[in-house]
Amino acid sequence: KNEVEQSPQNLTAQEGEFITINCSYSVGISALHWLQQHPGGGIVSLFMLSSGKKKHGRLIATINIQEKHSSLHITASHPRDSAVYICAVGIYGGSQGNLIFGKGTKLSVKP
Amino acid sequence: DGGITQSPKYLFRKEGQNVTLSCEQNLNHDAMYWYRQDPGQGLRLIYYSQIVNDFQKGDIAEGYSVSREKKESFPLTVTSAQKNPTAFYLCASTASNYGYTFGSGTRLTVV
Repeated sequence: KNEVEQSPQNLTAQEGEFITINCSYSVGISALHWLQQHPGGGIVSLFMLSSGKKKHGRLIATINIQEKHSSLHITASHPRDSAVYICAVGIYGGSQGNLIFGKGTKLSVKP
Repeated sequence: DGGITQSPKYLFRKEGQNVTLSCEQNLNHDAMYWYRQDPGQGLRLIYYSQIVNDFQKGDIAEGYSVSREKKESFPLTVTSAQKNPTAFYLCASTASNYGYTFGSGTRLTVV
């Protein structure tokens, strides 16, 4: 069983739609990261959170520590949001750098 | 602007050759990491370094070597002992309690 599960694996949306990507994990964590990987391969860190909710522009990330679950929301989606979104967790008490990564959610936003 | 520079973007290796992937950062981050990405899988940790002249094996270190002679630089050598080196390689860095910064990656292909 993977320690970090993302859903859905693939997501197609129409421009303007509200999008939710989910991440569940089975271990105690120090922090959860949401990353964005564009087709060229480079990765951008979107959020790092250990509790509550963070917002940046049209992106919102939430985490529920008790339920071991996090969501990434995109409001008013746009074709430029098309990318792979990756959830990663840092293990509580683990060595630095030992992130466990989900397999990613591939998002395609159609105009 | 500060960031991580990986080079080259594409690299082709013949069977039995060693190749070195470059990773340079000007963020003054102490910790640096190398990850490997294969299709349909999450990123996996190869090596990491928390300070100069020290580095630790990750989950899939066999067939790889690294050095950390300068804070800014963390090159990865893919040796001939790595039996399946074709993959996408990502370098990252972080300062304590902050999120990760990733490079744009190097795609290595064995020909």
